[in-house]
Amino acid sequence: KAGVTQTPRYLIKTRGQQVTLSCSPISGHRSVSWYQQTPGQGLQFLFEYFSETQRNKGNFPGRFSGRQFSNSRSEMNVSTLELGDSALYLCASSLRGRDSSSSETQYFGPGTRLLVL
Amino acid sequence: GQNIDQPTEMTATEGAIVQINCTYQTSGFNGLFWYQQHAGEAPTFLSYNVLDGLEEKGRFSSFLSRSKGYSYLLLKELQMKDSASYLCAVRRTAGNKLTFGGGTRVLVKP
Repeated sequence: KAGVTQTPRYLIKTRGQQVTLSCSPISGHRSVSWYQQTPGQGLQFLFEYFSETQRNKGNFPGRFSGRQFSNSRSEMNVSTLELGDSALYLCASSLRGRDSSSSETQYFGPGTRLLVL
Repeated sequence: GQNIDQPTEMTATEGAIVQINCTYQTSGFNGLFWYQQHAGEAPTFLSYNVLDGLEEKGRFSSFLSRSKGYSYLLLKELQMKDSASYLCAVRRTAGNKLTFGGGTRVLVKP
């Protein structure tokens, strides 16, 4: 079974631009979560989508948004990029994300490394 | 509260054992995960604990005490390839959000 895939893997943008990142979950997984990882803040939760609905949201400004499609693929968008948005953006998928069982482990994709100049 | 604390760095010798501790605040607890992350790569799942006790998976074991808000990851028979960051993450009862500790960088020396 293929793992979580993310595109693109690397991206360079300038301040003020906007960016869209894509994530395809493991086949059969319906929950997709997004995380930002930086050396200073570590791994921080952005949001989670399940059945095309945002189910959880972290403490990030409204410039960060996302959506999920009927095939469970997800995209996240960052508008008006700032230098501090430079980070590794990780997507993780899980089956349903509701039950406390090992089947609800989140599996991470390789990430998209974004550099804002 | 969301604080999850783990040591920043640990060094050990090849073949030895290392224990990485993780403490967290217990409100709304619904499981604790350990992930391994090599530099420049994505985190990979190592273990999951939701009930008290020890879970053993080959050279890796993870322990949980919910009443103490405490977990540890035990790495036995250390190999050079175990040099990586180890992330402790807690899932709360409200949804599927994981809150991560800062990670513990483990350096295995020959």
